[in-house]
Parts: sequence; C-alpha cells; structure tokens
Amino acid sequence: AQKITQTQPGMFVQEKEAVTLDCTYDTSDPSYGLFWYKQPSSGEMIFLIYQGSYDQQNATEGRYSLNFQKARKSANLVISASQLGDSAMYFCAAVRIQGAQKLVFGQGTRLTINP
Amino acid sequence: DVKVTQSSRYLVKRTGEKVFLECVQDMDHENMFWYRQDPGLGLRLIYFSYDVKMKEKGDIPEGYSVSREKKERFSLILESASTNQTSMYLCASSLGTHNEAFFGQGTRLTVV
Repeated sequence: AQKITQTQPGMFVQEKEAVTLDCTYDTSDPSYGLFWYKQPSSGEMIFLIYQGSYDQQNATEGRYSLNFQKARKSANLVISASQLGDSAMYFCAAVRIQGAQKLVFGQGTRLTINP
Repeated sequence: DVKVTQSSRYLVKRTGEKVFLECVQDMDHENMFWYRQDPGLGLRLIYFSYDVKMKEKGDIPEGYSVSREKKERFSLILESASTNQTSMYLCASSLGTHNEAFFGQGTRLTVV
C-alpha cells in the first residue's frame, strides 16, 4: 500500500524567504513517481514538479526543487524566494509505476506568505 | 489544452438518493481517478481506472461504485447517498505514471 504523510498542516513564511514543505512516503513498490501540486483558493490543482524514484538528480522547475532522499523516503518541496502568490495548499503525491497506476495524495500543507 | 470536465459544480441531493457524478476528458488518457477532498484529510482516492471497463478500488471505496464504458468518461456513483458523503469530489486523468494528472474543477456535493 502507498501512504503519503505531510506533517505540517500550516506554515507561515516571510516574503522572499525560502520554504521547505515536508513529505514522507511509504510504499513497497520498487518503482514509483512523486509529484507536488499547488491548490490556490480558487480550487484548481496545479502541477508543480515530478521526481522518478530512479532519477539520479533532484528535480527542479524554476523556483521549485524537490529534495529527494530515497533512503529516508522523503520528497520535500523547496520554494526559493517565496512570493505572495505562493500562498496556497500544497499536496505531495505518489504513483506506482508497475501495475495499475494508483495515485495517492497526502493531507496537504497550507502555506501562507506574509508581506 | 487538456480538459477534464465534471458535469456539475454544485449538487444538493437527499439522503438515500442515487447520485451520478460524471467526468469527461478530451486527451485520450488511459488513467482516470476519483477523489474526495475534505479539510485536514487531503485528497483521498475513491476509485481509479487504467483502461475501459477496468477499475480498481482506492483507499475509501465504501458506498461508491464507478463505471468506465468509454475511454473519455469515468462516472462515480453513490448508490444511496448519505450525509457523510457531503464533500468536494475531484476527477483527474493522466497519460501515464511519469505524467502529471489533470484535474476537473470539482463538484461540491451536499447530501441533506
């Protein structure tokens, strides 16, 4: 079974600071993918970044990077130089690659950027 | 642009009614998913489908069923709606495991 845990229900950060959102995953699958999504107050789900379990390098997309530590089963999202528009819910998700492709999400972290 | 469309934005149903939530995607995606989103609980997977007529239970399938007769359409069925099924329901589709999922706008269902 796959399980995603996000232990920070809420975070408050000053604008322009970097922020790390925690995500740990529990899966018995040998191959899997990890995602981060952003959900602003409008409710849409916005894809941010993807990391495959066999990717050698940590994924980066603009101001987003994924700090992937396979041995610790963690896939933390790092947002550099935070902006007011980064205020939103953030969800970590995992999908197994072999077999039926079950995509599961964590509980989410509400990030608030203060001016 | 990929589009995932859910048939209703808001629904109010009575306890015991049979409820159908429809989801259509226009990008020939293999995988489709139904989630419910509740505060503090995140997105919980109800059912998913990886091909026409193929489905698997997610983490909270009780009280729900699904149907996928055509590749582009994935329906969620509440056989007998109950008040604890009041929630936001999100449909998503994806091409494959390395590809992001695209979400519909959500259906806020209230069961009274």
